[in-house]
Amino acid sequence: DAGITQSPRHKVTETGTPVTLRCHQTENHRYMYWYRQDPGHGLRLIHYSYGVKDTDKGEVSDGYSVSRSKTEDFLLTLESATSSQTSVYFCASRVGGGEQFFGPGTRLTVL
Amino acid sequence: QQQVKQSPQSLIVQKGGISIINCAYENTAFDYFPWYQQFPGKGPALLIAIRPDVSEKKEGRFTISFNKSAKQFSLHIMDSQPGDSATYFCAASMKGGETSGSRLTFGEGTQLTVNP
Repeated sequence: DAGITQSPRHKVTETGTPVTLRCHQTENHRYMYWYRQDPGHGLRLIHYSYGVKDTDKGEVSDGYSVSRSKTEDFLLTLESATSSQTSVYFCASRVGGGEQFFGPGTRLTVL
Repeated sequence: QQQVKQSPQSLIVQKGGISIINCAYENTAFDYFPWYQQFPGKGPALLIAIRPDVSEKKEGRFTISFNKSAKQFSLHIMDSQPGDSATYFCAASMKGGETSGSRLTFGEGTQLTVNP
């Protein structure tokens, strides 16, 4: 798993509340990514980071924001959670080249 | 817009058989094509990858076949085993500048079941 952890691993929250998911990597990888996984859609990129404080949007970024204040940490925030954001969220990192290493995932349920 | 189409959605194979999963892409700028394997409750893990300068890459029982003109690539699992039962994702990315992130575009996934 290239030293990638995610927290929390499971979360249940209510519509309208803010939620922050954390990704931590110990490999000093430059690039980090947040994906969501939903049946029939594979993994879809939400946001990514190409360095500390450098981030950009992916294909499904509406309703999400990210921050990266240190190389090892990449935070995903749902500003006001909705039921459509119920999903499994994966963080990944990459040093260069092609391979992305994925974390174990966070299962988020928005009631 | 789905740029990588994967089929079939699900596949059942007998132990010892060949599993074949196909992907088609649209963007001719893609230059890296990995396959990821995911077990229940785990994150995806890289299985094998290919770049378009070769038509085939083999690693053990896993082979990628790549057809640049048809914009298709496939994963072949020879001598399939029950332990291969997992979800498989194809993906593609293109080389870009340092800020482009070499973002992966994933297919929808194939749930493979290998019966003993």
